[in-house]
Amino acid sequence: QVQLVQSGAEVKKPGASVKVSCKASGYTFTSYHMHWVRQAPGQGLEWMGVINPSGGGTSYSQKFQGRVTVTRDTSTGTVYMELSSLRSEDTAVYYCARSDLSSGWSSFDYWGQGTLITVSS
Amino acid sequence: DIVMTQSPDSLAVSLGERATINCKSSHSVFYSSNNKNYLAWYHQRPGQPPELLISWASTRESGVPDRFSGSGSGTDFILTINSVQAEDVGVYYCQQYYSTYTFGQGTKVEIK
Repeated sequence: QVQLVQSGAEVKKPGASVKVSCKASGYTFTSYHMHWVRQAPGQGLEWMGVINPSGGGTSYSQKFQGRVTVTRDTSTGTVYMELSSLRSEDTAVYYCARSDLSSGWSSFDYWGQGTLITVSS
Repeated sequence: DIVMTQSPDSLAVSLGERATINCKSSHSVFYSSNNKNYLAWYHQRPGQPPELLISWASTRESGVPDRFSGSGSGTDFILTINSVQAEDVGVYYCQQYYSTYTFGQGTKVEIK
């Protein structure tokens, strides 16, 4: 069965960086885009960026351009999201989610369990 | 960016009644080349990741109960829940994937 398993919660200080992992299993890793979406406490969903695991190409929301980097390791089926220059407003649950490459842009049919990142001094 | 606006922000429905959620996009999300609307609906329960209910505006995902239906085209879309059940509480989001991705602000559904 399809599973996206994310790394555990972290607490970071302002100005630091965080790297969250998302390990995929149960499907062909290179056949699906992997996205990152975040949700601040009590707030809605915000798309951050996407990677094509096949070629490694990425696209980022303008809001996060320059601060976010998404990479992948095809040998382990894992995608990583690194967010730098953290501030308190980055406190949120971060989700990975996949979409079907063959449909071009498409909806997110499986999600990770979420990773809580807390930014606090 | 395409802005997605949902209404209402919240609604309380009695068990067995119908719930209707609206979603309006600031730009059409319809591609005439393939006749598809790039619009999805998700349901999120507290403490859980979102779950995909409907893609392409009206295609129900496998395993989603048929009381959920999506309609609309272009800039105006509707999610209908016929005969609301207790497990349907939570927040519903629309999402466009026509031009990168944006979500609506969410609609909270509660049982009256």
